[in-house]
Amino acid sequence: QVQMVQSGSELKKPGASVKVSCKVSGYTISHFAMNWVRQAPGQGLEWMGWINTYTGTPTYAQAFTGRFVFSLDTSLSTAYLQIDNLRTEDTAVYYCTRRSSSRPSAFDYWGQGTLVTVSS
Amino acid sequence: DIQMTQSPSSLSASVGDRVTITCRSSQSIDTFLNWYQQKPGKAPELLIYAASILQGGVSSRFSGSGSGTDFTLTITSLQPEDFATYYCQQSQRTPHTFGQGTRLEIE
Repeated sequence: QVQMVQSGSELKKPGASVKVSCKVSGYTISHFAMNWVRQAPGQGLEWMGWINTYTGTPTYAQAFTGRFVFSLDTSLSTAYLQIDNLRTEDTAVYYCTRRSSSRPSAFDYWGQGTLVTVSS
Repeated sequence: DIQMTQSPSSLSASVGDRVTITCRSSQSIDTFLNWYQQKPGKAPELLIYAASILQGGVSSRFSGSGSGTDFTLTITSLQPEDFATYYCQQSQRTPHTFGQGTRLEIE
């Protein structure tokens, strides 16, 4: 069965970096696009962008350009989200989610979420 | 960007009730509309895709309809496990925007 397991919670200081991992099993990572979604405390869902898992090409939503980096290690079946120069407003739960191959598509499987807390 | 607006933002109902949540897009998205359920502390789960197709394993008490700019999610005979927050999302074009969410609470 499909599983997406994310790395554990992180506590970071402003200005630091964090790298969140999302290890998939039950399917071949390069066959489905990987998306990232942010949820700030008590807030809704915000689409951050996606990475083409076949070519490795990332696409970022406008609010997530510059400090956010999507990457892959297909040999490990793992996708990564790195956030540089962390700010307190980056405090949120970050989800990886697979985009289905159906058309229209949807996010059919999700990681459990990784809480990133940025505080001095 | 396509804006997604849900109504109401919150809703109180009782077990056994029928409820409807509405989602409107700022431009036509055909049927590129998905619905997700999220329970506290958990990841969202896909309920309905392509506006009206039930994801496998989802109860038939859930149904979706609409096309263009106006969509609805209907839940019949509410069960205790249905009390959660519901989000619509458009998948026609990036950014794949979500609605602000509708919190369904027990009355």
